[in-house]
Amino acid sequence: QKEVEQNSGPLSVPEGAIASLNCTYSDRVSQSFFWYRQYSGKSPELIMSIYSNGDKEDGRFTAQLNKASQYVSLLIRDSQPSDSATYLCAVNTGGSYIPTFGRGTSLIVHP
Amino acid sequence: EAGVAQSPRYKIIEKRQSVAFWCNPISGHATLYWYQQILGQGPKLLIQFQNNGVVDDSQLPKDRFSAERLKGVDSTLKIQPAKLEDSAVYLCASSLKGESGYGYTFGSGTRLTVV
Repeated sequence: QKEVEQNSGPLSVPEGAIASLNCTYSDRVSQSFFWYRQYSGKSPELIMSIYSNGDKEDGRFTAQLNKASQYVSLLIRDSQPSDSATYLCAVNTGGSYIPTFGRGTSLIVHP
Repeated sequence: EAGVAQSPRYKIIEKRQSVAFWCNPISGHATLYWYQQILGQGPKLLIQFQNNGVVDDSQLPKDRFSAERLKGVDSTLKIQPAKLEDSAVYLCASSLKGESGYGYTFGSGTRLTVV
């Protein structure tokens, strides 16, 4: 059973702070990693993908991958109230193109 | 580019009734997925189509759920008979190819309530 674990939160941060969201996975052969943002009542939206160890930056978002420790994280710099949403981590293994989703972490950015 | 279209947006039915959901993927996307998202959980794959063929339906409860993708474009997902635990949002997603490196584009979903 492939597992993707996320703390359900909520994670509450003040506006302008860095929000750090974490995800661990159980399958060592996982190769592709994704972060989706889901606003309440809306469908998930892909915001980041990462495939190799290290950091990948896109605007205020940075994805970090450490395959040895089996975790992937998402940093959101200069957090805004509009970033308040649930962030879903998704992981797929080399043998499957179907990602397994975590349950998501609720982020609240308060003014 | 038009997104993934789904209908209806909301549906309320009584247990043991049947229901059907419709999805039209992004034009040219060969791969189509149906996901079930129960409140407070991440999406769970029900079925994947590549064109009009089924690639993975290992998590589809086949005693009550069925899906088809005729002509490799639109898809329908049916539940018959519905149970209370089927209450969830049913998401359709499509991608250009089967490789997840392209990421998914999700539709707006159908929120099903079984009473």
